[in-house]
Order: sequence, then structure tokens, then C-alpha cells
Amino acid sequence: AQSVSQHNHHVILSEAASLELGCNYSYGGTVNLFWYVQYPGQHLQLLLKYFSGDPLVKGIKGFEAEFIKSKFSFNLRKPSVQWSDTAEYFCAVNARGPGRRALTFGSGTRLQVQP
Amino acid sequence: DTEVTQTPKHLVMGMTNKKSLKCEQHMGHRAMYWYKQKAKKPPELMFVYSYEKLSINESVPSRFSPECPNSSLLNLHLHALQPEDSALYLCASSQAGQGGPMSSPLHFGNGTRLTVT
Repeated sequence: AQSVSQHNHHVILSEAASLELGCNYSYGGTVNLFWYVQYPGQHLQLLLKYFSGDPLVKGIKGFEAEFIKSKFSFNLRKPSVQWSDTAEYFCAVNARGPGRRALTFGSGTRLQVQP
Repeated sequence: DTEVTQTPKHLVMGMTNKKSLKCEQHMGHRAMYWYKQKAKKPPELMFVYSYEKLSINESVPSRFSPECPNSSLLNLHLHALQPEDSALYLCASSQAGQGGPMSSPLHFGNGTRLTVT
């Protein structure tokens, strides 16, 4: 079975600081990888996704993530955060290939950006 | 605003009540999902419909009964719920895709916040 780990549960940054949120997954086969964001009181939104190709993926609002297959990681980065980035961030993975491919979410990282 | 509409936004029900949650999307997506999200926890998959057929049931208790009347609508019928079922219930949709329903990004609704008393 696949699983996703987000080791940072709560991150507090000042505006303009750089951000890196960790995401590791466990699954031996090929996977699709996603980062979703949930702003306070809003629905889950897709930030970016990786299916194949260039392991450095750019998403909306200046976010990017790098897939490192050897480390089973898909860390989210942003060079300079803004107060409006305050939200909950979820990494998610689903396995490709035969069998069940349910999307599994990590436990989430709450990002708080202080002005 | 999300393109997946869920009603009602809030629902309070007793343990003997019968109620339904509704979800609608008009993006032409042929896969629809129900997730349950408890406070400070990630969403947990409950059901997946692909081309209006139930394809995944994550061992959800029978007091939750999903229904997909057509490609745009998804319902979740609730009966004899327990207080621990109180949560945010999220509907999502995606393109079905050759790789299976989960191979495309999900579009989530705002959810229905359910309280069982």
C-alpha cells in the first residue's frame, strides 16, 4: 500500500522567507504526485502535479516542487512567501498501474506567514 | 470559486434522521468522489464513481450510501449516523482518464460541514 509523510506539521515564517515543505511517499512503483492547498475557509485547490517528464514542476502562485525518485520525495518550494500563502498544504500520491489507485493524502502542513 | 457545488454548506442532524448531501459539477468529468475530513486531518477517501458506476468503496459503513444519478450529480445518503461521523464531507470530480479515475487532478467542492447530535 502507498503512504505519504509530511514531517513538518506547522511552519511559521516571516514574509519574504523561503519555503520548503517536505513530502516523502512509500510505494515501489510509478506514482502521480500532487500538492494541494487549502486556504482558511476555502476548498482544496491543486497547486501543482507531477505525472512524468521534467522532475522540476512549476505550479501556481510561484510554487514549485521537485520529484527525486531515489529519495521518494516531492518537496514543495517557494523562494519568497507572502502573508496570503497562509494555508494548509497537502501532499498526495496515487499509484499508477494495475490495481487500486486511490489518492492518498499526507497529514498536511499548516503554514503561517507573519507580516 | 470552485466549479464543484455542494449543498448544503452546513447540516445538523440527529442520530435517527435521514438526510442527503448533494454534489454537482458541469465540467464533463466522469469520475466523482466523496471524501471525509476531520479537523486538522487530511481528507480520507470514502467512495469513487467512474462513469456513474461505483468503483471504490473504502470499507465505509452502510449508514453512508452513495448514489450517482447521472454524470453531473453525486449524492451521499445518510441514515442513523453517530456523533463521530461529524466532519467535513468533500465532493470532488476529475476526468476519468486512461490511467483510471485517480490519474487526473481532483477538483474539490467547498464541502458540507456535518454535525451529528
